Amino acid sequence: SQTIHQWPATLVQPVGSPLSLECTVEGTSNPNLYWYRQAAGRGLQLLFYSVGIGQISSEVPQNLSASRPQDRQFILSSKKLLLSDSGFYLCAWGRGSYEQYFGPGTRLTVT
Amino acid sequence: LAKTTQPISMDSYEGQEVNITCSHNNIATNDYITWYQQFPSQGPRFIIQGYKTKVTNEVASLFIPADRKSSTLSLPRVSLSDTAVYYCLVGVPNRDDKIIFGKGTRLHILP
Repeated sequence: SQTIHQWPATLVQPVGSPLSLECTVEGTSNPNLYWYRQAAGRGLQLLFYSVGIGQISSEVPQNLSASRPQDRQFILSSKKLLLSDSGFYLCAWGRGSYEQYFGPGTRLTVT
Repeated sequence: LAKTTQPISMDSYEGQEVNITCSHNNIATNDYITWYQQFPSQGPRFIIQGYKTKVTNEVASLFIPADRKSSTLSLPRVSLSDTAVYYCLVGVPNRDDKIIFGKGTRLHILP
């Protein structure tokens, strides 16, 4: 069966510090991968998605970036965090079928 | 991607049947209708997907009229644990690489 992992579960970072969130998927190959963010009390915002290694589509221009160095690994990064980057970050995988499977999420607080 | 409209929030009581309706007047011929459920501090979970008429699984039923301009998610005999946000999505499985979550319907089950 397929499993999706995200870490860390929680993170507190100061403004201006870098960020690296990692997501890995097990039990499937060549999945579509997605990064979402959910600010407190708000809806899900699609940040990036990838249909293959090295292929990244950005939905929201901001100080975040994503990379897919391996088939089942998706990384979300920032060089300098802003207060507005606080939120619940979710990684998901799918096959473009409107059936996505979400990881446990990372709650990021920027102070 | 077809636009969807659903109520912002709903209240119901334990043991009742809950119906959440989603409007999608501009649904295209190849579009499917998909519903997700999201509990607090968790990622969304796929509930059900359908194209026309009725689909039922162990969690819910999905009713789609002949014109497909709306759909109704039916949750039988809800419990407190069904309190969540429910998202209606419309698009083409296996073609659309990304899906956009709207604000969803916040369902609150009362004892």
